[in-house]
Amino acid sequence: GQNIDQPTEMTATEGAIVQINCTYQTSGFNGLFWYQQHAGEAPTFLSYNVLDGLEEKGRFSSFLSRSKGYSYLLLKELQMKDSASYLCAVKDSNYQLIWGAGTKLIIKP
Amino acid sequence: SAVISQKPSRDICQRGTSLTIQCQVDSQVTMMFWYRQQPGQSLTLIATANQGSEATYESGFVIDKFPISRPNLTFSTLTVSNMSPEDSSIYLCSAADREGTEAFFGQGTRLTVV
Repeated sequence: GQNIDQPTEMTATEGAIVQINCTYQTSGFNGLFWYQQHAGEAPTFLSYNVLDGLEEKGRFSSFLSRSKGYSYLLLKELQMKDSASYLCAVKDSNYQLIWGAGTKLIIKP
Repeated sequence: SAVISQKPSRDICQRGTSLTIQCQVDSQVTMMFWYRQQPGQSLTLIATANQGSEATYESGFVIDKFPISRPNLTFSTLTVSNMSPEDSSIYLCSAADREGTEAFFGQGTRLTVV
């Protein structure tokens, strides 16, 4: 079966750095996505990785290792507004997105 | 990028009735999806809306309960039929191209069945 695993919840301090991990087992791979979702809102796109390595975009970076079936989202200089759920999703061989359960990130002052 | 307009944004419905949710994309897209999301949980795919053919439903979802239309490459509807309180949830439409590097989402429809 297809499976995406990520931690249920994480807590970090304002101004610090946090890494949210995602491991996956899917039938085929056509890219990995990270989305941010605030409570009551639709998910918003953060990053897309299809090749191994690190993609940096401002305070957010995303890493992919296809051989290990592993990705992480790195958030730097955390702000209170970063409190949200972070969803990892993999596009499988049928070009459908397989979603993880999401990681709820709590930022404390 | 694509902008998706989804409506209604919320509704309160009586059990036994039906609600149709509309999703309009500002550009042509290959694939459109309908998701359900319970509070605090991740996205559950209901079906993939295919243009010119019947939708492809995921396990646990059937056409009689969730009929879907996709008359063209920019529009789709999801109907929640014969509603019960268990259908109370947020329904999201999404659009993407097969080789696209981003999936776009509508604003979601918060449905409450009483």
